[in-house]
Amino acid sequence: NAGVTQTPKFQVLKTGQSMTLQCAQDMNHNSMYWYRQDPGMGLRLIYYSASEGTTDKGEVPNGYNVSRLNKREFSLRLESAAPSQTSVYFCASSDTRGHTEAFFGQGTRLTVV
Amino acid sequence: SQQGEEDPQALSIQEGENATMNCSYKTSINNLQWYRQNSGRGLVHLILIRSNEREKHSGRLRVTLDTSKKSSSLLITASRAADTASYFCATDSDTGRRALTFGSGTRLQVQP
Repeated sequence: NAGVTQTPKFQVLKTGQSMTLQCAQDMNHNSMYWYRQDPGMGLRLIYYSASEGTTDKGEVPNGYNVSRLNKREFSLRLESAAPSQTSVYFCASSDTRGHTEAFFGQGTRLTVV
Repeated sequence: SQQGEEDPQALSIQEGENATMNCSYKTSINNLQWYRQNSGRGLVHLILIRSNEREKHSGRLRVTLDTSKKSSSLLITASRAADTASYFCATDSDTGRRALTFGSGTRLQVQP
């Protein structure tokens, strides 16, 4: 049972570089989410996708773009990384929008220097 | 802004004692969920309580919900060292954005 798989697990970027965080789920869930976790601040929603072909901004979308490639995959792109984007990024999925439990990946620890 | 705020931020107890964590939120909700996060890992779902429920049990976990006070509590009975983790409440609001909103968490340390 893979659940939610995120790649990479760790990444160091220089300011201004770009990268894409990949996420895939094998539970046939409709909804997928990207959160970031900073010390003492819990998880904050970056973007979410209620279904294939739709995406919506969350609480902290600036500096990020997303693509819901198909039902399984939801990627997060940083076009020009900034030190303020140093964080741990979590992808999650759920069967319906918030009504049921969410399943989380193991996280991507990103450092921007 | 955070929807849920947990209290206390950190809690240290001895094995066998009970641990109580509280969560307050701001908007009306469909349900409230509790998650656990071990250090360096993803979040794992513990329990969900719907807005029309007042109390729910799952093993050593007991969750209460008071929608009039917009608050919830998570009680872990007979704690074990393996319960050491961070615990987060998350709300599913019935208005606006349809995604879980998380609180800042309670760090629980259970001393053996």
